[in-house]
Amino acid sequence: EVQLVESGGGLVQPGGSLRLSCAASGFTFSSYWMSWVRQAPGKGLEWVANIKQDGSEKYYVDSVKGRFTISRDNAKNSLYLQMNSLRAEDTAVYYCARDRNLYSTSIYDYWGQGTLVTVSS
Amino acid sequence: QSALTQPRSVSGSPGQSVTISCTGTSSDVGGYNYVSWYQQHPGKAPKLMIYDVSKRPSGVPDRFSGSKSGNTASLTISGLQAEDEADYYCCSYAGSSVVFGGGTKLTVL
Repeated sequence: EVQLVESGGGLVQPGGSLRLSCAASGFTFSSYWMSWVRQAPGKGLEWVANIKQDGSEKYYVDSVKGRFTISRDNAKNSLYLQMNSLRAEDTAVYYCARDRNLYSTSIYDYWGQGTLVTVSS
Repeated sequence: QSALTQPRSVSGSPGQSVTISCTGTSSDVGGYNYVSWYQQHPGKAPKLMIYDVSKRPSGVPDRFSGSKSGNTASLTISGLQAEDEADYYCCSYAGSSVVFGGGTKLTVL
């Protein structure tokens, strides 16, 4: 059974940092593109970043470029999101999601349960 | 990286059909056949309902169908059931980025 389990969310002050993790199981993690998608309270879904199987390609939404870094450790079947210089508008539930294809298509067949990040003083 | 445009809300009675539109540009919806639709119930993670414009994952009822014409994709739900009441999001590949729609709240009357 495919499982994605996020962790690392919490309350952080503006300007602070947080590192999210996503533990994957039930599939060959190293074979899939992976993404982070977020959802602000009461708002819609927003793609944040994605990463290629070997980590050689990474893409970000403009609003997080230079502040967030996506990475992965295939040996640990884990996906990460390092978030620096956090702003109030980064407050959201952050989901990790698996791209169903072996190449990037932004079609997400499995999602984690999400982890809440709250940026507030 | 502008969001795709969806109606904020749609509604229908049980047994009826509803269609949700999703309008983008030639750089996203119109340029690729990687359009997908997600259903999200309150407090839950999104669930893939349609991919590659019109394909259904295993387990998704055939009451759900998708199509695309130019820069606009559509999700049609026929034979509405109470459990279909949820938020629906379209999503499109856009080359080096990904764009979601703003979401549509479906109310089953």
